[in-house]
Amino acid sequence: NAGVTQTPKFRILKIGQSMTLQCTQDMNHNYMYWYRQDPGMGLKLIYYSVGAGITDKGEVPNGYNVSRSTTEDFPLRLELAAPSQTSVYFCASSTFSTGSNQPQHFGDGTRLSIL
Amino acid sequence: EDQVTQSPEALRLQEGESSSLNCSYTVSGLRGLFWYRQDPGKGPEFLFTLYSAGEEKEKERLKATLTKKESFLHITAPKPEDSATYLCAVSGYSSASKIIFGSGTRLSIRP
Repeated sequence: NAGVTQTPKFRILKIGQSMTLQCTQDMNHNYMYWYRQDPGMGLKLIYYSVGAGITDKGEVPNGYNVSRSTTEDFPLRLELAAPSQTSVYFCASSTFSTGSNQPQHFGDGTRLSIL
Repeated sequence: EDQVTQSPEALRLQEGESSSLNCSYTVSGLRGLFWYRQDPGKGPEFLFTLYSAGEEKEKERLKATLTKKESFLHITAPKPEDSATYLCAVSGYSSASKIIFGSGTRLSIRP
């Protein structure tokens, strides 16, 4: 079972360039999330989705966009890369359970540098 | 606003030296408290979910406990392979589908 797969694993961008970070999961999870993790810090939520066609902002959404056209895929788009977006990006997914949250399953991350 | 604070930031132990990691949280209605392990260059790996005060869960040398204000991750007779960053996260009724993470405790076990 692949779980959550993120591509690419590493990327270097120039300031002002655009790119899409890919995330796909094969567990039929409704919920999907994008986080960023800066050195020595915890995970900060960028965007999340509770199902196909539904997305919402997290704590740090500025400079990013998402879409959720299928249950499996949840790509993250950077339109105009800035040095402040240098970080490690993690995608996660979870099932839905009424009244409580289920644990998230994470990919291994995309390490992004903006120069 | 939901908040999670973990302490200490870093902890170095000798192999076999037991200790505890702390996770203090503020949340309006706890839906779940999660512990994750994160190895360098990897995504967080789920360890435990706790839902109500007094609940305890164990896995090998790890035991997680929960009160109304904090959670502890007890590590008994740790081995070098237990070295990792341990993350605590909470989900509250006010935060809908969001989960708030602490900044983690970096645990290092010397042989």
